[in-house]
Amino acid sequence: NAGVTQTPKFQVLKTGQSMTLQCAQDMNHNSMYWYRQDPGMGLRLIYYSASEGTTDKGEVPNGYNVSRLNKREFSLRLESAAPSQTSVYFCASSERQGENTGELFFGEGSRLTVL
Amino acid sequence: AQSVTQPDIHITVSEGASLELRCNYSYGATPYLFWYVQSPGQGLQLLLKYFSGDTLVQGIKGFEAEFKRSQSSFNLRKPSVHWSDAAEYFCAVRPGFGNEKLTFGTGTRLTIIP
Repeated sequence: NAGVTQTPKFQVLKTGQSMTLQCAQDMNHNSMYWYRQDPGMGLRLIYYSASEGTTDKGEVPNGYNVSRLNKREFSLRLESAAPSQTSVYFCASSERQGENTGELFFGEGSRLTVL
Repeated sequence: AQSVTQPDIHITVSEGASLELRCNYSYGATPYLFWYVQSPGQGLQLLLKYFSGDTLVQGIKGFEAEFKRSQSSFNLRKPSVHWSDAAEYFCAVRPGFGNEKLTFGTGTRLTIIP
């Protein structure tokens, strides 16, 4: 049972390069999220998708784009990477079940370094 | 907008001692509250959550948390810590039904000494 799978796990980019982080979940969840984690700042929401075909900005969306390809997959794209985007990125998913919603299931993270 | 404060960046406790990690939130109504744990190099795992009802909630690994509306707090406790509890702990808040945005605190790193 894979849960949430992120690729790649590690990536080094040069400033100005582009790349896409891939995320897939096999739990049939409607909602998916991208967070970044930086020391002393916790996790900050970049974008989320409440359902297939919808996306919405989170707290720190600048410099990123997302695509909800289908119910399983939610990708995060950096069009022109900057050193400030050096971070650990986490994809997560969750399911709505009336009011008892909210548990996020996380991938293992993707460590990105921008030189 | 909602916010979460974890005032302790790093806590060190002895194995077998009790533990309390503090969490305060800022939100007008009663939000949905969560505690997550992150082991080194891993993603986050849910420890427990509070939506409504009994203000003392039990979670996995022997953890519990108490919601105190008057103090806007949701502190995490464990009566006796184990070396395997060494990790980083995050409190999180979601405004409520229909709002998908989960806001995390900055985390508390827990070190266990023998």
